[in-house]
Amino acid sequence: AQSVTQLDSQVPVFEEAPVELRCNYSSSVSVYLFWYVQYPNQGLQLLLKYLSGSTLVKGINGFEAEFNKSQTSFHLRKPSVHISDTAEYFCAVITTSGTYKYIFGTGTRLKVLA
Amino acid sequence: GAGVSQSPRYKVAKRGQDVALRCDPISGHVSLFWYQQALGQGPEFLTYFQNEAQLDKSGLPSDRFFAERPEGSVSTLKIQRTQQEDSAVYLCASSLRRDPRSYNEQFFGPGTRLTVL
Repeated sequence: AQSVTQLDSQVPVFEEAPVELRCNYSSSVSVYLFWYVQYPNQGLQLLLKYLSGSTLVKGINGFEAEFNKSQTSFHLRKPSVHISDTAEYFCAVITTSGTYKYIFGTGTRLKVLA
Repeated sequence: GAGVSQSPRYKVAKRGQDVALRCDPISGHVSLFWYQQALGQGPEFLTYFQNEAQLDKSGLPSDRFFAERPEGSVSTLKIQRTQQEDSAVYLCASSLRRDPRSYNEQFFGPGTRLTVL
């Protein structure tokens, strides 16, 4: 079975400061990794994904994440946040053999302060 | 529209009532997925269709939950005799998914927020 842990339920950060949202996963088989963002009353939007290749992946809105296989982590980073980044962020995995069933973490609420 | 749409966006039901939630996937998308997102939680997989065939319904929490996609396009998630624990946001997603061995991005709708009183 797979599981995803997002230890930080809320992360407050001042505008233009850097931020890191942590994600750790557990799986006995190989997985693909994802970060999604959810704005209030909207669906999930894909920020970035790791399928293979370079472990540093860049996504939309200036976000990037690094896949660390030995630490089973996929932390999300942004060097300078904006007020508009305030949202809920979800880390998720899919097994490479069952490529449709997402396993999501419980989410991290990023609140950017002026 | 270009994206996945869901209706209604909000639904309030009295305990014991039946509800039906609709999903219109992106045109041409073969695969359709339903997820349940309880308050403060991440979405959890409910069921998966490829065209009209329901290939996986392992996530449906009880036999009160039923999903269908009779013509391989629009899908309906039906919940019979709703209970308070059914209160959640129900998300629908679709993907092109022509090759089950490869990843196909899922595009999510805005969800239906169900509140059972």
